[in-house]
Amino acid sequence: RKEVEQDPGPFNVPEGATVAFNCTYSNSASQSFFWYRQDCRKEPKLLMSVYSSGNEDGRFTAQLNRASQYISLLIRDSKLSDSATYLCAADTGRRALTFGSGTRLQVQP
Amino acid sequence: DTAVSQTPKYLVTQMGNDKSIKCEQNLGHDTMYWYKQDSKKFLKIMFSYNNKELIINETVPNRFSPKSPDKAHLNLHINSLELGDSAVYFCASSQASSGRWEQYFGPGTRLTVT
Repeated sequence: RKEVEQDPGPFNVPEGATVAFNCTYSNSASQSFFWYRQDCRKEPKLLMSVYSSGNEDGRFTAQLNRASQYISLLIRDSKLSDSATYLCAADTGRRALTFGSGTRLQVQP
Repeated sequence: DTAVSQTPKYLVTQMGNDKSIKCEQNLGHDTMYWYKQDSKKFLKIMFSYNNKELIINETVPNRFSPKSPDKAHLNLHINSLELGDSAVYFCASSQASSGRWEQYFGPGTRLTVT
């Protein structure tokens, strides 16, 4: 079992839609979680950090469920520019992060 | 100002050659990392250095040798390149000592071995 698992997608949604991705993690000792956005042929860019139960930044909301060991990312009012791959990451307790393989989002006009 | 920079951005070379990739961060972070992202887009950690000390060395062939001359720089040298080494290599940094694990990535080095 991978340490961090994501549905690869793609998720195809129309502009203005709300879309949610889930990410499950296996290391119950993980304390901090992150969502990164990666555009094609670019580096991952930090989108949100989750250190407690959740975090919200504009149209983006991240929720942490420690009991079920998953983190979700909700995107409201999707824009064409939101099209990207979203990577979930969890700390390993060794000053490092473990990344999921990413969920691809395609927002369509 | 670029926070985490890498050179070169593209590297095309033949099997058997030796090559180096350089990374510099100007964020004042104490920890730096090398990741490999393969064709399936899976991002896998290779090495991590904290204040010039190697703290993570994943299952990576001995042909890969990181070097950290100071905490702002982490270079990666690869000997006897193989076809399977073709990938994008990302450098990243974080301020791990503060208990914040956010990592910031460089633009990547796309290595193609022919």
